[in-house]
Amino acid sequence: EPEVTQTPSHQVTQMGQEVILRCVPISNHLYFYWYRQILGQKVEFLVSFYNNEISEKSEIFDDQFSVERPDGSNFTLKIRSTKLEDSAMYFCASSYGTGDTGELFFGEGSRLTVL
Amino acid sequence: QQQVKQSPQSLIVQKGGISIINCAYENTAFDYFPWYQQFPGKGPALLIAIRPDVSEKKEGRFTISFNKSAKQFSLHIMDSQPGDSATYFCAARKNAGNMLTFGGGTRLMVKP
Repeated sequence: EPEVTQTPSHQVTQMGQEVILRCVPISNHLYFYWYRQILGQKVEFLVSFYNNEISEKSEIFDDQFSVERPDGSNFTLKIRSTKLEDSAMYFCASSYGTGDTGELFFGEGSRLTVL
Repeated sequence: QQQVKQSPQSLIVQKGGISIINCAYENTAFDYFPWYQQFPGKGPALLIAIRPDVSEKKEGRFTISFNKSAKQFSLHIMDSQPGDSATYFCAARKNAGNMLTFGGGTRLMVKP
């Protein structure tokens, strides 16, 4: 069964460092997303990406965050200068379409720990 | 108005019992309501979903009940099994977009 894969599974970084989280969405999917889950809290939407541009973003997704699809398979989330409060599990997701074809498939997540 | 409120935060049920998790929303623009199941160390996985034009949807042991006038929906797990022990999230989405708004999650433990 096709799946969304994420790397790394866990990253530890110092505050102020740049971090790149990588995702390989399901191959025929057209919409890509990042969500995050702070430990013990709910899953929160960060950004959606379609046709090589951001289609929606939340208030959390400020100038410190950026997304990119550098080639035909990868989808990345960059955090420019990490803060302690960026520590969370980051989930990549993809969907074929929107509406009735918009079922999201999530990866297993990348745990980011900022010290 | 974007919030989805979920209760209870945690639930313990005996094997064979019925697990019931409730969610409420405010935004009437939401028109797709999925439930996700998350096991430790894994991403959320779609369990079952409903649109507001039906009041109930059943898939196996899992049933969603939807009350449009009350803006509430619930997940019922019949004949709960220890393998159902997981965190369950309700969510809501406006059909014009793909952004999911999640509830706070319910940690379900089914005791053997």
